[in-house]
Amino acid sequence: GAVVSQHPSWVICKSGTSVKIECRSLDFQATTMFWYRQFPKQSLMLMATSNEGSKATYEQGVEKDKFLINHASLTLSTLTVTSAHPEDSSFYICSALLEWDRKNQPQHFGDGTRLSIL
Amino acid sequence: QQQVKQSPQSLIVQKGGISIINCAYENTAFDYFPWYQQFPGKGPALLIAIRPDVSEKKEGRFTISFNKSAKQFSLHIMDSQPGDSATYFCAASKSGGSNYKLTFGKGTLLTVNP
Repeated sequence: GAVVSQHPSWVICKSGTSVKIECRSLDFQATTMFWYRQFPKQSLMLMATSNEGSKATYEQGVEKDKFLINHASLTLSTLTVTSAHPEDSSFYICSALLEWDRKNQPQHFGDGTRLSIL
Repeated sequence: QQQVKQSPQSLIVQKGGISIINCAYENTAFDYFPWYQQFPGKGPALLIAIRPDVSEKKEGRFTISFNKSAKQFSLHIMDSQPGDSATYFCAASKSGGSNYKLTFGKGTLLTVNP
């Protein structure tokens, strides 16, 4: 149980295009999801907290107009990297908070999306 | 400000040995301390977690030891196997309201030699 699916797993695109990444909780509801960014051999950096039905909360230094987050249902959050440039190339990972076990705070992660901007 | 400090950065252990990774935190409001295992190209997988009302939690070969007064917690991997070779992250979060955000340590690259 507690499976989080992320799609696509790898995307290569040209500079200037926009890329959408999906994060789905497959067997549980998640009113709260998180988006992280990870550079090679580094830790996870929280980008934003995604709450179903409301605006995302962005961490300091993260451009909300650059990284658009939509959490339209209890099982789906999307991250859109707008007008992507080579410096946006990274490993993007989402996680979901188990709604039924919220007080114990377990976050379950997707397998990430490797974004490469040429 | 690094709120969760993790050490060592890398660790090499022989098969069958004990792997020990340590973390220290600063924020006394943290009340949830998970450990994650990450293989290359994959997302982190939750291994084991502890809350500050207990000093130790064991699940199979994995044990968390927690010292609230010292604000430290550690992961022990008993009978380490080559398949345990991965990067391990400690983390901490606090409950309530709009929290639950995880603060991660910098990670430990564990290599278990056969």
